[in-house]
Amino acid sequence: SQQGEEDPQALSIQEGENATMNCSYKTSINNLQWYRQNSGRGLVHLILIRSNEREKHSGRLRVTLDTSKKSSSLLITASRAADTASYFCATGPYGATNKLIFGTGTLLAVQP
Amino acid sequence: ETGVTQSPTHLIKTRGQQVTLRCSSQSGHNTVSWYQQALGQGPQFIFQYYREEENGRGNFPPRFSGLQFPNYSSELNVNALELDDSALYLCASSPVGDYGYTFGSGTRLTVV
Repeated sequence: SQQGEEDPQALSIQEGENATMNCSYKTSINNLQWYRQNSGRGLVHLILIRSNEREKHSGRLRVTLDTSKKSSSLLITASRAADTASYFCATGPYGATNKLIFGTGTLLAVQP
Repeated sequence: ETGVTQSPTHLIKTRGQQVTLRCSSQSGHNTVSWYQQALGQGPQFIFQYYREEENGRGNFPPRFSGLQFPNYSSELNVNALELDDSALYLCASSPVGDYGYTFGSGTRLTVV
């Protein structure tokens, strides 16, 4: 079953604009991660935020985490056509495993 | 770092057949996980291996089985293939602990 849901399901913006994607999840977490997937191939790890962190930056990426609302957001600033991809949030690990539970994804299209 | 490699990239099998998918973990990563991603969905956790032992399993039937070898490479075996097994199968490795995963490019399995 999916742990989280991304919102919106699809987003289309112009190059140079900012893109914001949201993720909601259901159970307590140790960390939340964001991944990018191009054209249905492998996922690329973008950023990990731990449950005791509220905000994290990596290059043009900014992630926030609100554990009281069980939600996270990913902001991509100054988007580029190359940012066109599906973006997934994933929560974990759970118990003794490092398993991740993924959301349903946001499809981002950046128009040149 | 060599990353995670998966083989084959594409595979077509007939219902009822058996299939073996292979994965070579990233150097230094001793945990490997397998995920199934149906079209338009987020990846679903199948199972995880750590030190050649299964260390967590998702909601998949026993006909999904795996192995991890001393060099941390891994196999996913699926018996009695069903049409619904058609999906992208992703292998991911990670060190133990609170880290992001490194994913392979996946194997696209089509069951006809």
